[in-house]
Amino acid sequence: DQQVKQNSPSLSVQEGRISILNCDYTNSMFDYFLWYKKYPAEGPTFLISISSIKDKNEDGRFTVFLNKSAKHLSLHIVPSQPGDSAVYFCAAPNSGAGSYQLTFGKGTKLSVIP
Amino acid sequence: DAGITQSPRHKVTETGTPVTLRCHQTENHRYMYWYRQDPGHGLRLIHYSYGVKDTDKGEVSDGYSVSRSKTEDFLLTLESATSSQTSVYFCAIKVTSGNNEQFFGPGTRLTVL
Repeated sequence: DQQVKQNSPSLSVQEGRISILNCDYTNSMFDYFLWYKKYPAEGPTFLISISSIKDKNEDGRFTVFLNKSAKHLSLHIVPSQPGDSAVYFCAAPNSGAGSYQLTFGKGTKLSVIP
Repeated sequence: DAGITQSPRHKVTETGTPVTLRCHQTENHRYMYWYRQDPGHGLRLIHYSYGVKDTDKGEVSDGYSVSRSKTEDFLLTLESATSSQTSVYFCAIKVTSGNNEQFFGPGTRLTVL
């Protein structure tokens, strides 16, 4: 049973426009969410996170929005740049005792077209 | 990059052979993780460690074993590699002072023929 879902395998956006990547979750116990960015042949890198006590967190061009009632979060990239082309993973920590395990979505491949 | 290295970076092996992948960290973090990444599956946890000689299974642990005899090294072993274990393997650490962020190594691409 997939607890973190990214239903769009890919997304293409024109340079300068907004990219919106979506993530849904099923476990209402999740209280923290993370976004990772992954370039080919590299490890994932942490991008931005949000606690469930907030509904928005912003870091430069990246903003994550959390809608707890809908169990939905989204990552907005404004403006999109060609260097943003990568696979983006949404993740949430499991509530297991002290293991700090993360459950990842399957990822969305973003292509920013110059 | 949180001082994480993985070796080897690439390996081709044959079905039935044993394979060991190494993850090395330089900052004495307690928690270490092994993931595999496959198309259509994202990142899936294989095993993790919460201290020297303390390990536990993740979501896809069948066919894998791990060992952690020193804080800085976390080894992943495929006792008898199968073609279904062809994948990219990532090691990660959780920094002691952080929230839930994990930081990843560069990955090992393993091909089992």
